[in-house]
Amino acid sequence: QVQVVQSGAEVKKPGASVKVSCEASGYTFSGYFIHWVREAPGQGLEWIGRIHPNSGGTDYAERFQGRVTMTRDTSISTAYMELSSLRSDDTAIYYCARGKGGTAAFDYWGQGTLVTVSS
Amino acid sequence: EIVLTQSPGTLSLSPGERATLSCRASHSIANGYLTWYQQKPGQAPRLLIYDASSRATGIPDRFSGSGSGTDFTLTISSLEPEDFAVYYCQHYDGSGFTFGGGTKAEIK
Repeated sequence: QVQVVQSGAEVKKPGASVKVSCEASGYTFSGYFIHWVREAPGQGLEWIGRIHPNSGGTDYAERFQGRVTMTRDTSISTAYMELSSLRSDDTAIYYCARGKGGTAAFDYWGQGTLVTVSS
Repeated sequence: EIVLTQSPGTLSLSPGERATLSCRASHSIANGYLTWYQQKPGQAPRLLIYDASSRATGIPDRFSGSGSGTDFTLTISSLEPEDFAVYYCQHYDGSGFTFGGGTKAEIK
C-alpha cells in the first residue's frame, strides 16, 4: 500500500534553513509528482511547490521563489524540501503529498512535519 | 491567479442533515481541475473529490461534487458524525495550485 512518511519536528532560529524529508513506498516513486503544502497555525493550506522525481524538475509558488529548494533521491524514494531565511511566519506544519496521476489532485499525504521558527 | 472563496465559513448542522458547501472562483475554471479535501484536527488532508465530480477511492457515495465555470459545490447527503471537519477546495491553473479558505462543518 502507498505510504508517505515525513521526518520529525524541527525548531529553528530566524534566518536559518530547514530541510524536511518525505519517504514514499508502495508505488513507483519516479512516476508521480511530490507536492509540498503548508498549514500555518489557524490558517488554511498553502501550496509551496512540486518536484517530479523522474526528471528532478521543479515548480515553485511565486512567493517562495528564491527561498525554497526541492530535491529528490530516487535510490531511496525520498523527496526533500529546504526552506531558507526562515522567519517566524514560516512556523507551520509542512506536508508532502503525492500527485494523483492524470489529475491535479493530491491523493496520498504524509503525516506532516511541524517546523517552529523562534528565537 | 484564480482566487477561491469558500462559503459559508462555518456550517452548523446535525447528523443526518444535508450539507452544501460552496467554492466560488474569481475567474472561470476552464480545465475542470477543482478538487475537494477533508481535514480533521491533527490530521493531514484527505482527498474526497477530484476533477470537480469524481469521487476518490474509498470515499462514501454520500459525498458528491458538482459545478463548472466559477461555481462549485460539495454536497454531503446525510452527515455522519465523522464528517464534521474542515473542507477545502483547490484549483490548478497550469502554473500553480491555490486553495480556498475552508469551510468548517460543526455539530449543531
